[in-house]
This record gives sequence, C-alpha cells and structure tokens, in this order.
Amino acid sequence: GNSVTQMEGPVTLSEEAFLTINCTYTATGYPSLFWYVQYPGEGLQLLLKATKADDKGSNKGFEATYRKETTSFHLEKGSVQVSDSAVYFCALSGSNDYKLSFGAGTTVTVRA
Amino acid sequence: EAQVTQNPRYLITVTGKKLTVTCSQNMNHEYMSWYRQDPGLGLRQIYYSMNVEVTDKGDVPEGYKVSRKEKRNFPLILESPSPNQTSLYFCASRPPGLVNVGEQFFGPGTRLTVL
Repeated sequence: GNSVTQMEGPVTLSEEAFLTINCTYTATGYPSLFWYVQYPGEGLQLLLKATKADDKGSNKGFEATYRKETTSFHLEKGSVQVSDSAVYFCALSGSNDYKLSFGAGTTVTVRA
Repeated sequence: EAQVTQNPRYLITVTGKKLTVTCSQNMNHEYMSWYRQDPGLGLRQIYYSMNVEVTDKGDVPEGYKVSRKEKRNFPLILESPSPNQTSLYFCASRPPGLVNVGEQFFGPGTRLTVL
C-alpha cells in the first residue's frame, strides 16, 4: 500500500536559518503529494501540493518539488521565522485513491 | 467563515462511559472523515463518509462508530471507551472528487483522555 516516511524530529533552528524536512514515499502509479502544517493548538492546514512529477508546490516561502526518480517531496524554506514553529506532515493520495496517507509528522521549533 | 467545528475540545472520561464527539462543517462538503493523531504515528483515519448515509471504515475503526444523517454533521461515537483510545482526534471535510483528495479542511481537534 501507499506510505510516507518523514525525517524524525524534533528540529530546532534559529531565526533566518534554512529548513529542510525530508519526505519519501512509496506508492504505485502517480500519486499526488502534499505538505500540511499544524500550528500549536490548531488543526492541520494544507500548506502546498504537487500533483505530477517535477511540479513544485510553494506557499508562504515554503517549497517542495515532486521528484519521481527519488520518490521524494522534501520541504524547504530559506529563512525561517519564529511563527513557522509547528508540526509539518507530508501526505500522499494515490492516483485512484480517495484516501490521504500521512507521515508521522516533524516538529519544528524556531528560536529568536 | 468556512470552517469545521468540533465539540468538545477537551474531554476526560472513564473507561466504559459512552461518549460522542460532534463535528460540523458549513462548506456543504460531501466527504467527511475522522482521524486520530498519536505521537510517532501521524494521522490515522478512523472512518470516512462519502455522502449522507454512506460511511466506511478507515485504517483503525475498532472501538468507534459514526453516523451521517445530515451532510453537515458527522459525529464520532465511542460506545465503551478504553485507555488506548486516549488521543487527539480530528474531523475533516473536503469537496468531492479524486482531484480534491488532498484539499482537506480540518477541525481544531478534540483531546480525549480515557482513565
């Protein structure tokens, strides 16, 4: 079945540092890939998505590129802020699948 | 404002005492689902509903029930809660169709503790 593996956290950074969260997946066919963010005390929000190979999703300074050859969808941000402190989830949906499969989540803390 | 609401937000109960967590959305979405979030496991789907009166099991349905009598509401029922159901629960909804599978709107979560 489909599955998502994320790098383990927690990750602690200083403001303006570069952030990378690794995500790799296993799926048949051509899945769609997503990053969700969960701010403290809130539900998950869709951060960005990519629906086909080589697509780049971007939002709020975050980017992720759908790499089919390496089955990866790593999340990056060039200069993080304290407000980026959250839990980040990588997720995928199969090409003919109504289900969304989530990774374990990575907790990111940004210090001033 | 488009939103998914859940109640209660926090609940402490005892083993075996039936409880219901309500979920309501105001976006006229056909698809709704329940997840539980546990450390190191991410989100796991409990049940989902493609439309009114249509529900199906997710990955971890044991010990849970749901009903979908109206489009906007999708309550989660624990008939006889046990301590292993202590978790953070999220309700979500989304528009219909495969293209919208990832466009999920999540509620704020319900923190449940079963003693």
